[in-house]
Parts: sequence; C-alpha cells; structure tokens
Amino acid sequence: AQKITQTQPGMFVQEKEAVTLDCTYDTSDPSYGLFWYKQPSSGEMIFLIYQGSYDQQNATEGRYSLNFQKARKSANLVISASQLGDSAMYFCAMSPSDDKIIFGKGTRLHILP
Amino acid sequence: NAGVTQTPKFRVLKTGQSMTLLCAQDMNHEYMYWYRQDPGMGLRLIHYSVGEGTTAKGEVPDGYNVSRLKKQNFLLGLESAAPSQTSVYFCASSYFALAGPRSTQYFGPGTRLTVL
Repeated sequence: AQKITQTQPGMFVQEKEAVTLDCTYDTSDPSYGLFWYKQPSSGEMIFLIYQGSYDQQNATEGRYSLNFQKARKSANLVISASQLGDSAMYFCAMSPSDDKIIFGKGTRLHILP
Repeated sequence: NAGVTQTPKFRVLKTGQSMTLLCAQDMNHEYMYWYRQDPGMGLRLIHYSVGEGTTAKGEVPDGYNVSRLKKQNFLLGLESAAPSQTSVYFCASSYFALAGPRSTQYFGPGTRLTVL
C-alpha cells in the first residue's frame, strides 16, 4: 500500500540551528515524486521542494534541501539556519502512479528564539 | 496572476443547509482537487478532476458533489450539511498528476466551514 509516514508530531529547535524533518514512504511504483509543503499558522499550503525518484542529485531550494535516500525510502527535509518564520506545520507528500498525491500527517516545527 | 483562489473564505451553515464552494485557477492546469483538513488528520482528498468535464471520487467523497464545467473552475457542493463536515477545505491544482515536477499541486487559501 502507498503510504507516507512522518514520525515526529512536533519538534522544538533553537533559532539558527539546522533542522531535519523525517519522512518515509512506501510505494511499489518505479517512478514517483516527493514533495514538501509548509503550512504556517495563517493556514495556507506553500510548496517548498520537489524530488523525482530518478533524480540523481538531492533537490535544493534556497535554505531547503531534500535528503533523498531511495534504498531506505526516506525523503527528509533539511532546513539550514532556521528562522523564527520557519515555525509551521510541514507536510511530506508523494505522487505515485495514479492521479493523486498522498500526504503525511505532518510535523509541527517550533523555532525558539 | 492570482494562482488558485477560493470563495468564500469563511462560512457558517446550519445543519441541512446547502452551499457551493468555488475554486478558480488561472494557471491552465488540467488537474484540480478538493481536500478537507481536520485536526490530527492531515489532508484528505474528497474529489478530484483530471480535466474539464471529468470528476472522480477521492478518499472521503460521501456528502459532497463536484462539477468541472470549465477548465479553470472546480465547484464543491454540500447538499445537506452536517456537523461532521465542519472543516477547512482546500482546493489545489496541477498540470499533471503522474510523477514529475509538473505534478506539483498549488493550493488555494482555504475555506473555513462551520456547520452548526
């Protein structure tokens, strides 16, 4: 069964430290995509980063990078030099071979000043 | 370029009332989706559309209907609202759905619905 698992319901991190948010997935499809979204307290869903299953390099977007380990089926989000504005809920998601995206239940990140 | 917009932003209904939520996108996306978000449940897919004139059921379709008469619009209807439908509703759209960066879904701001 296709599934996304985010094992950290909440995290507290000191400002300016790096953060790793865990995501593992399960799929038998050879081709799939992995996404991370950010949902701040204002409620909107903001797309952060995409990684394709056949991409040779880990995706990066500014302070965000995706640590993609295909054999372990993990797609962890790394935020470098965290900022107070990074406090939000973060969702990992996967697009398998059908028409939908599967979302994890999310990790709430708190950045401490 | 507004992206994905949703109307209304907030709504309070009484049990048994009906309403329609409107989603519009100006990105020429083929695929559109309706989700609901409840505390601790993440995002759950209600219905989706793979193109103008098409609709399909998602994970939690009961009590909802949808229509996609125009490519840019996707309507979500509640015929007889129930308190269990109190939720935040998100619309999203994408170019494609299969793996690839063009399967990235872009979301609207959400509609907060309360059913009394």
